[in-house]
Order: sequence, then C-alpha cells, then structure tokens
Amino acid sequence: GQQVMQIPQYQHVQEGEDFTTYCNSSTTLSNIQWYKQRPGGHPVFLIQLVKSGEVKKQKRLTFQFGEAKKNSSLHITATQTTDVGTYFCAGGALTSGTYKYIFGTGTRLKVLA
Amino acid sequence: DGGITQSPKYLFRKEGQNVTLSCEQNLNHDAMYWYRQDPGQGLRLIYYSQIVNDFQKGDIAEGYSVSREKKESFPLTVTSAQKNPTAFYLCASSRGKTGNTIYFGEGSWLTVV
Repeated sequence: GQQVMQIPQYQHVQEGEDFTTYCNSSTTLSNIQWYKQRPGGHPVFLIQLVKSGEVKKQKRLTFQFGEAKKNSSLHITATQTTDVGTYFCAGGALTSGTYKYIFGTGTRLKVLA
Repeated sequence: DGGITQSPKYLFRKEGQNVTLSCEQNLNHDAMYWYRQDPGQGLRLIYYSQIVNDFQKGDIAEGYSVSREKKESFPLTVTSAQKNPTAFYLCASSRGKTGNTIYFGEGSWLTVV
C-alpha cells in the first residue's frame, strides 16, 4: 500500500540555525499538506501544495513539492524556540477508488536556546 | 465556535472492557477520520467516513469499530480485541473533497490499566 516516509525522525538545532525535513511517498500524489503538532497538542494545518514543482513561503517557512509529485520538503530559516514541535506531511491520493490522506512519520524538532 | 470536540480527554480502561470515544463536529464537513498516535510516532489511520452511513477501514482497523449515523458524529469504539489500545486518539474532519484541509480535535488519551 501507499507509504509516506519522513526524514529525519528527530532534529535538534541551535536557535538561529536552519532546519529541513523531507517527505517521500511510494506513489504519485495528488497533493501534499503539511501540519505542525506542538508538544501535547494536536496537528494544525500549515499549507497545501498541489502543482508539480510548486514552492510556497510562509515567513521563515519554505515548502516545496517535487516535480514528480512524490516528494516534498519543509525548510525553516533561522529557527526560533516557537518552532518546536513535530512536523508532518500528509500525502493525498486515490487509493482503492477512495481519496484519502496518508500521514508521514513526522519529524520532531527541538530548538535549543 | 466551530470545531471538533472530542471526549473524554483522558480515559482509563480495564483490560477486557470496550470503550467509546466521542467525536462531534459542527463544521458541516462530509468526511471524518480517526487516527491513532503512539508516543513519538506518526499518525495511523483507523477508520474514515466520507458520507453518512458509510465508512471504510484504514490501515489499523482491527480491534476498532465506528458508526456514522449523523453527519456531525463519528464515535470510535475500542474493543477488547485491540491488543495494545493505550495511545492518543485523534478525530479529524474535512469537507471531503480533494485538497481540503483536515481539522483535528484535541485528542483523547486512552490508558489501559
């Protein structure tokens, strides 16, 4: 079945350093979404990418969708302590005739002040 | 406020007992989902429903059951057949169409004692 993997699983950075998480799907996706889950909280939607090669920015966050629509990345420039949390990608695709999202394994980010 | 309400937030269950987690949404969303999250792990899909009176198994449906008698409600029953039920359970909803944002409830912590 469809699988979505993320790397790295964990990342510790010093405040001010950059951070990148990568998402890879075993199948071609219709779209990809990114979510952030703060410690003890629930996932919150960040952004959606639909087009092949699409790049979107939200302040210090840059999101990319691969040309083949099978991979994506999230890059945070100059991390802050408020960036702490787990970042999930969710790949949307038709599976067995039904459209659904498969979440990646997540990357847990810790930012050291 | 519009949103997804899960209850209870914390629940303790004795082995061999069934327990039902409530999920209600007032977002008028067609699709609803249940995910399981183990400590430090990603989100795994248990069941999902795209319309009333219809639902499909996700990746880890064994030991769980759901119903979708009303658009607003999607309760999850964790049965005694679920061997490792201790986890964080997240209910979510979306408009159900391709590319719609998934909104999550605040989650329910289930502990088997």
